[in-house]
Amino acid sequence: AQTVTQSQPEMSVQEAETVTLSCTYDTSESDYYLFWYKQPPSRQMILVIRQEAYKQQNATENRFSVNFQKAAKSFSLKISDSQLGDAAMYFCAYSPPGANSKLTFGKGITLSVRP
Amino acid sequence: NAGVTQTPKFRILKIGQSMTLQCAQDMNHNYMYWYRQDPGMGLKLIYYSVGAGITDKGEVPNGYNVSRSTTEDFPLRLELAAPSQTSVYFCASSYGSDGREYFGPGTRLTVT
Repeated sequence: AQTVTQSQPEMSVQEAETVTLSCTYDTSESDYYLFWYKQPPSRQMILVIRQEAYKQQNATENRFSVNFQKAAKSFSLKISDSQLGDAAMYFCAYSPPGANSKLTFGKGITLSVRP
Repeated sequence: NAGVTQTPKFRILKIGQSMTLQCAQDMNHNYMYWYRQDPGMGLKLIYYSVGAGITDKGEVPNGYNVSRSTTEDFPLRLELAAPSQTSVYFCASSYGSDGREYFGPGTRLTVT
C-alpha cells in the first residue's frame, strides 16, 4: 500500500521569505501523480501544484515550485515570497494513474506566516 | 458551473441516528470519492466510485454506505451514528485520468 509521510507538523515563515515543506512517499509503482493541496481555515481543499512522476522537470505554479526526487521518493514544496494568505494546512498526496486513481494523503503541515 | 456541492454544511446527530450526506457534481466526472478528515489529520478515503452503478471501499468504510445511481450524485449514508464518526466529510470528483480531484466545501458532522 502507498503511504505518504509529512514529518513536520508545523512550520513558520517570515512574510516575503521562502519556506520549504517536506514530503516523502512509498510506492512500488513507476507511474503516478503527486500533489500539494492547501487547506485554509475555510477548510476548502485547494490544489496548489501537481507533478507527474514520468516528467523529470519539476512543476511550478507562480510562487510555488516542487523539488521532485523520484529515486529518493521525496516531494517537497517551496513557497517563495511568502504572503499572509499562504497561512494554511498543506497536504501532500499521492495517486496512482488511470482506473486506480484515488488520493492517499499525508497528515499535513500547519504553515504560519509572520508579518 | 457549480463544481462539487455538498449538503448540509453542518449537522449534529444523536448516537444511533441515521443520515445521508448529499454530494453532486456538474463536471460530468466519472470518478467520485468520499473522504473524512479527523482533527489535525489528513483525509482518509471512505468509499469511491468509478462510474454509475460501481462503488468500492476505501480505507475506512465501516459504518457507511454509498450508492451511485447517476453520474452526478454520490450520497453517503451513515447508519447508527457513533461518536467515532464525528468528523469533517469531503466529497470529490475527477476524470480519473490525471489524478486531479475537485473537492466540495465539506460537511462538519458531530455525533453526541
